[in-house]
Amino acid sequence: EAGVAQSPRYKIIEKRQSVAFWCNPISGHATLYWYQQILGQGPKLLIQFQNNGVVDDSQLPKDRFSAERLKGVDSTLKIQPAKLEDSAVYLCASSLGAGGGDTQYFGPGTRLTVL
Amino acid sequence: QKEVEQNSGPLSVPEGAIASLNCTYSDRGSQSFFWYRQYSGKSPELIMSIYSNGDKEDGRFTAQLNKASQYVSLLIRDSQPSDSATYLCAVSSSGSARQLTFGSGTQLTVLP
Repeated sequence: EAGVAQSPRYKIIEKRQSVAFWCNPISGHATLYWYQQILGQGPKLLIQFQNNGVVDDSQLPKDRFSAERLKGVDSTLKIQPAKLEDSAVYLCASSLGAGGGDTQYFGPGTRLTVL
Repeated sequence: QKEVEQNSGPLSVPEGAIASLNCTYSDRGSQSFFWYRQYSGKSPELIMSIYSNGDKEDGRFTAQLNKASQYVSLLIRDSQPSDSATYLCAVSSSGSARQLTFGSGTQLTVLP
């Protein structure tokens, strides 16, 4: 069974530029998550989708971050414009059910460096 | 603000010893608790989940949960150098979204 796929794996941009990340969850997984992991910290949930609806986006900086999950499968996360403090690893995860007690499987992540 | 606290370490143990990792959480209504392992430069992988008070054993790993004390721990018996990693405690919220909140992780080094 294929795991969670993410691209790109690495991205370097200048501040104020825009960037987009792509995630393809495990086939059949209803719930998709985007996390931000800053060096030395645990992952922080940015947004949680169930199918193509948003379940929780309370920690998403909506003035610069946006995310969508079209047709309840793939998802993209966009940052526009980027700030220095956005340098982090962006992790996508998916789970079979509606979150909570379900196991979340993580993709390899996208390491973003903002100069 | 729901919080999950872990000792940041680093924690060093000799090969073959027991490593003890601890975690406390603030959301008294939390029902699901997880331990993830994260090797340097890699993504987190689930090693244990626990939902009821008491102990749960899986091979060399034992998770312990005490909801009254809002405390969850992970014991690694017969520690191996390959266990050297950051261990993340994660707790699901009591809200409708049941989102996971992660601690900042404990870095474990097992010395040969």
